[in-house]
Amino acid sequence: GQQVMQIPQYQHVQEGEDFTTYCNSSTTLSNIQWYKQRPGGHPVFLIQLVKSGEVKKQKRLTFQFGEAKKNSSLHITATQTTDVGTYFCLGGSNYKLTFGKGTLLTVNP
Amino acid sequence: ETGVTQTPRHLVMGMTNKKSLKCEQHLGHNAMYWYKQSAKKPLELMFVYSLEERVENNSVPSRFSPECPNSSHLFLHLHTLQPEDSALYLCASSQESYGELGQPQHFGDGTRLSIL
Repeated sequence: GQQVMQIPQYQHVQEGEDFTTYCNSSTTLSNIQWYKQRPGGHPVFLIQLVKSGEVKKQKRLTFQFGEAKKNSSLHITATQTTDVGTYFCLGGSNYKLTFGKGTLLTVNP
Repeated sequence: ETGVTQTPRHLVMGMTNKKSLKCEQHLGHNAMYWYKQSAKKPLELMFVYSLEERVENNSVPSRFSPECPNSSHLFLHLHTLQPEDSALYLCASSQESYGELGQPQHFGDGTRLSIL
């Protein structure tokens, strides 16, 4: 079945440092979505990527979808304390949806 | 306010009780989802309803029984649960095209379930 591996599981950074989380699917995806969940909160949709090699930016966040549509990354430039939370990818293919395990980001001010 | 409302927010029940979780979405979406989120585990997709038909059931034990009477409401009926079923249960909705899943999901705040 479809599996989505996400690394790292945890990342602790100093405020101002960059952060990247990676997702790797065992199968080719139709699309990939990224979500952020603050501590004690619910997942909030960030972005969806559908095209091979697609790159999208949201302020300090850069999202990439691999050429083979099997991997994706989320990069945050110059982290801030408001970036704290768990970042999940969600791989979609027809009726199969699989979340990565998530990367918990903590930021030291 | 996410447009997806879950009740109750917290539920404590014994293993022999029967209870139901409720989810209501006010976004006009046509697909609804139940997820289980346990500590240190990834989000687990339990059930998906698209256009009121169940399209995904990820090998969930029969002690969990979903019901989707219309596109705005989703229930999860609970019966004879086990301690390992204690978790946060999240509901989500999305607007899907026929025959597909993969549009952005809007989540509710969840029901924190504790089994004694």
